[in-house]
Amino acid sequence: KAGVTQTPRYLIKTRGQQVTLSCSPISGHRSVSWYQQTPGQGLQFLFEYFSETQRNKGNFPGRFSGRQFSNSRSEMNVSTLELGDSALYLCASSLGAGNQPQHFGDGTRLSIL
Amino acid sequence: TQLLEQSPQFLSIQEGENLTVYCNSSSVFSSLQWYRQEPGEGPVLLVTVVTGGEVKKLKRLTFQFGDARKDSSLHITAAQPGDTGLYLCAAPPSSGYALNFGKGTSLLVTP
Repeated sequence: KAGVTQTPRYLIKTRGQQVTLSCSPISGHRSVSWYQQTPGQGLQFLFEYFSETQRNKGNFPGRFSGRQFSNSRSEMNVSTLELGDSALYLCASSLGAGNQPQHFGDGTRLSIL
Repeated sequence: TQLLEQSPQFLSIQEGENLTVYCNSSSVFSSLQWYRQEPGEGPVLLVTVVTGGEVKKLKRLTFQFGDARKDSSLHITAAQPGDTGLYLCAAPPSSGYALNFGKGTSLLVTP
């Protein structure tokens, strides 16, 4: 069974640019969650989608947005990039309920210059 | 948001030693999950504990859920270099759908 796939694995951008990250969940998983991981803050929840609807949103500015497609694939977009956006962005899929185990991809490492 | 406190933050030990890491909160949880994240990879689920007082063993790893379901511990016996990684605990929210994660314990096991 294929795992969660995130693309690209590495990305370098400059301040002010925007970026789109992609996540393909495990087949049959309808919930996709996004997290930002930094050494100082740990794993911080960005948002969660289920059947193309955003069900939950973390405490991030509006520059961070996402969407989910009918095949459960998800994208997240960050506009007007700031130096502080440098982080590992992790996507996780699950069957759907809040207490279900999360299956993580290996992340996209975003570096802002 | 329910806060999960993990301790210690960092741990460096030699191969063969035993260790325990902790995950504590003031909130009661319906269940708690433990993940391990190796460098360059995403977290991988190790175990889910559900019942207060529950003990689960995974080879040399022993997980315990507190009787009051507010805390959990992970004990590793005879640590090996392959145990190196970031150990994260996570719990479902009282409402909503997003898991809450602790900041993790970073473990380094040297030969």
